Amino acid sequence: AQKVTQTQTSISVMEKTTVTMDCVYETQDSSYFLFWYKQTASGEIVFLIRQDSYKKENATVGHYSLNFQKPKSSIGLIITATQIEDSAVYFCAMREDQGGRALIFGTGTTVSVSP
Amino acid sequence: DAGVTQTPRHEVAEKGQTIILKCEPVSGHNDLFWYRQTKIQGLELLSYFRSKSLMEDGGAFKDRFKAEMLNSSFSTLKIQPTEPKDSAVYLCASSRQGNQDTQYFGPGTRLLVL
Repeated sequence: AQKVTQTQTSISVMEKTTVTMDCVYETQDSSYFLFWYKQTASGEIVFLIRQDSYKKENATVGHYSLNFQKPKSSIGLIITATQIEDSAVYFCAMREDQGGRALIFGTGTTVSVSP
Repeated sequence: DAGVTQTPRHEVAEKGQTIILKCEPVSGHNDLFWYRQTKIQGLELLSYFRSKSLMEDGGAFKDRFKAEMLNSSFSTLKIQPTEPKDSAVYLCASSRQGNQDTQYFGPGTRLLVL
């Protein structure tokens, strides 16, 4: 069965520092796709970054990067040089290649960035 | 390109009413998804269409929820009859086609059932 788990409910950091969020997943599929989304205070859900299971190199987009540890079924999100605007809820999600089902989401991690 | 659009952004309904939520996917996207978001349950899939064919229907939502894809650029979600427990944010998302493609979300419709 598919499952995505985010154990950190909330994280508080100072501006310009680095924040790391954890996510572990369960799947029987050998090929799958992992995503991170951000939900802002207005409710908008924005796609940030993705990692395809067959890629060994960690994905990086702007000040977002991933720590993909396949043997541990783990996909952490790292935000460097945080800004106030990074305050949001961050969701990890997974989709299996063969399963053909929609995204399975974690419960989210709330990040608060203080000046 | 325009993103996913949803209307209305807010809806207030009386218990027992029928409401229809609307979604227009990103142009050229063939996969369309309806999700419901609540604080307790988080994000849950309601329906998933590929090229207008229903691929997956969230088991817990078959009773009073019906999603339709009338054409490749328009979908509706009907809730009939509404109940107070249906109060939530309803999100529409789309992707090109294929399990590997990234889903992009609309702004959501916030529904309050009294």
